[in-house]
Amino acid sequence: EAGVTQSPRYAVLQEGQAVSFWCDPISGHDTLYWYQQPRDQGPQLLVYFRDEAVIDNSQLPSDRFSAVRPKGTNSTLKIQSAKQGDTATYLCASRGGVSGNTLYFGEGSRLIVV
Amino acid sequence: GDSVTQTEGQVALSEEDFLTIHCNYSASGYPALFWYVQYPGEGPQFLFRASRDKEKGSSRGFEATYDKGTTSFHLRKASVQESDSAVYYCALGDGNSGTYQRFGTGTKLQVVP
Repeated sequence: EAGVTQSPRYAVLQEGQAVSFWCDPISGHDTLYWYQQPRDQGPQLLVYFRDEAVIDNSQLPSDRFSAVRPKGTNSTLKIQSAKQGDTATYLCASRGGVSGNTLYFGEGSRLIVV
Repeated sequence: GDSVTQTEGQVALSEEDFLTIHCNYSASGYPALFWYVQYPGEGPQFLFRASRDKEKGSSRGFEATYDKGTTSFHLRKASVQESDSAVYYCALGDGNSGTYQRFGTGTKLQVVP
């Protein structure tokens, strides 16, 4: 069974530029999460979906961050006008089916904003 | 709000030492508790979970017991190996029916031969 796939693995931006991260969850998993992990910190939830619906986006900086999951499968997280404080690894995770509450994470997308 | 606290930021041990990483939580009811391990360049990997008082979770020689009385879920291993070097995260099931997980700050374990 394929795991959670994320791309790109790395991105380096100047402040003010935009970037999109893509996530392909495990097949059949209805719930998809985006977490932000600053260096040497634990993952912090940004947003999560069940199928195509946003369940909780209260931690998403809505003025510059957006996330969609239009068909309830793949998802895109977009950062517009990036700031140095956005430097972090962006982790996608999915769960569903027999996995219960266990989250399965991708390898992450490492963003550096200079 | 709900939270999980890991008191050790880093732990350094020699091979075959006994490991304890402390995790305490603050939440109402009986939230599910989890341990994850993260290796460099990878996402966190699920180790095990527990969801009832006195329930023990275990995997790969690691174990932890859910203790409602002390609100703890401490990670232990009897004899660590160099390959156990990684960052360990305690997490708490949050939201409706524990639909997302709130992570602690992590504990970096370094094991030297």
